[in-house]
Amino acid sequence: SQKIEQNSEALNIQEGKTATLTCNYTNYSPAYLQWYRQDPGRGPVFLLLIRENEKEKRKERLKVTFDTTLKQSLFHITASQPADSATYLCAPSFSGGYNKLIFGAGTRLAVHP
Amino acid sequence: NAGVTQTPKFRVLKTGQSMTLLCAQDMNHEYMYWYRQDPGMGLRLIHYSVGEGTTAKGEVPDGYNVSRLKKQNFLLGLESAAPSQTSVYFCASSSPGGAYEQYFGPGTRLTVT
Repeated sequence: SQKIEQNSEALNIQEGKTATLTCNYTNYSPAYLQWYRQDPGRGPVFLLLIRENEKEKRKERLKVTFDTTLKQSLFHITASQPADSATYLCAPSFSGGYNKLIFGAGTRLAVHP
Repeated sequence: NAGVTQTPKFRVLKTGQSMTLLCAQDMNHEYMYWYRQDPGMGLRLIHYSVGEGTTAKGEVPDGYNVSRLKKQNFLLGLESAAPSQTSVYFCASSSPGGAYEQYFGPGTRLTVT
């Protein structure tokens, strides 16, 4: 069956450092991969989408990579701030048909001043 | 634009009771989804709809029913609530296709005693 793995342990980093979160998937080949942010008590909010033919995508301090050979995506936040503290979810998806997303359980990021 | 709204925000049910969760979106999206989120697990798809009058089962549909009588609304029903249905429920909407992000509502926290 399709499986998404994100580091279940919280990632603690110092303000100003780069946070790197990992998403591994098995048993399928998604055409896209999306990243979402979720704050406590709120619904997920879309951050970035990367296509299978893109190696890297950037948006302000965010960078996502997509390695279809390793079946892995890395999510980077540079110059991290305490306001970046949240849970980050990865969600591979497919072209065609309905927009089926399979969500990982998420990695909680804590940025300390 | 309100985006995606959900009612109610919180609810406590006794085993065997029924209830309906309402989701509304004002973005004219074709696709709508109902997820549940449990601690340590990713969002799991319950049911989805690709258009007015259509619904389909997701990953965990048992014990739930849905209806999409109007394009902007998607209702989730619990016919006979069970403690295993204690969870946080999220509604989402999107445009068709895997390249489009999903917009989530704020969630409904349901406790079944």
